[in-house]
Amino acid sequence: EADIYQTPRYLVIGTGKKITLECSQTMGHDKMYWYQQDPGMELHLIHYSYGVNSTEKGDLSSESTVSRIRTEHFPLTLESARPSHTSQYLCASSEGQGSSYNSPLHFGNGTRLTVT
Amino acid sequence: GQNIDQPTEMTATEGAIVQINCTYQTSGFNGLFWYQQHAGEAPTFLSYNVLDGLEEKGRFSSFLSRSKGYSYLLLKELQMKDSASYLCAEEDSNYQLIWGAGTKLIIKP
Repeated sequence: EADIYQTPRYLVIGTGKKITLECSQTMGHDKMYWYQQDPGMELHLIHYSYGVNSTEKGDLSSESTVSRIRTEHFPLTLESARPSHTSQYLCASSEGQGSSYNSPLHFGNGTRLTVT
Repeated sequence: GQNIDQPTEMTATEGAIVQINCTYQTSGFNGLFWYQQHAGEAPTFLSYNVLDGLEEKGRFSSFLSRSKGYSYLLLKELQMKDSASYLCAEEDSNYQLIWGAGTKLIIKP
């Protein structure tokens, strides 16, 4: 069973606030990802990392930042929350530099963010 | 462009068989994933196809035709717990995943 944890599970916050969504995994996986998912919609990649000190931007990265100082930790920061950021945020990890049958994504349970 | 198409919703009866289709359009195709996502939960890995043909894993099977840009997930002996969304995702040549919007499967007794 995957060991990847996200906190908080739910968050309601006002517009303009700075927030950090936490994600940690205990599997020693090199690759980590942040996705945004709205109900009935596809997952959109926000940021990803190939390993420590590596971060890359996805499709929806413009209003957020990430860091990868330790293998197990990959926090996502929104500098100024907006109502348009209201969504489900999913963190995931996988082994190795590529992707294959042997290294599918393991997802955390997500953070449901509401910006008022 | 890179576009994943799958039906929005399907309904099936407990004990029956259901096939969920997925089509994709892209160059640099590297593989095709299926994930299951129960409401309010994280997606979980079901299958991965890189070669043409059928991959069978218990009650679930996944098929791929690279020439047609087509895959399907076949669920046999449906159980109520199979009610979930099924996500199709294409892996491109950069090992990035392009996701479909998911097919919500409703199982009726």
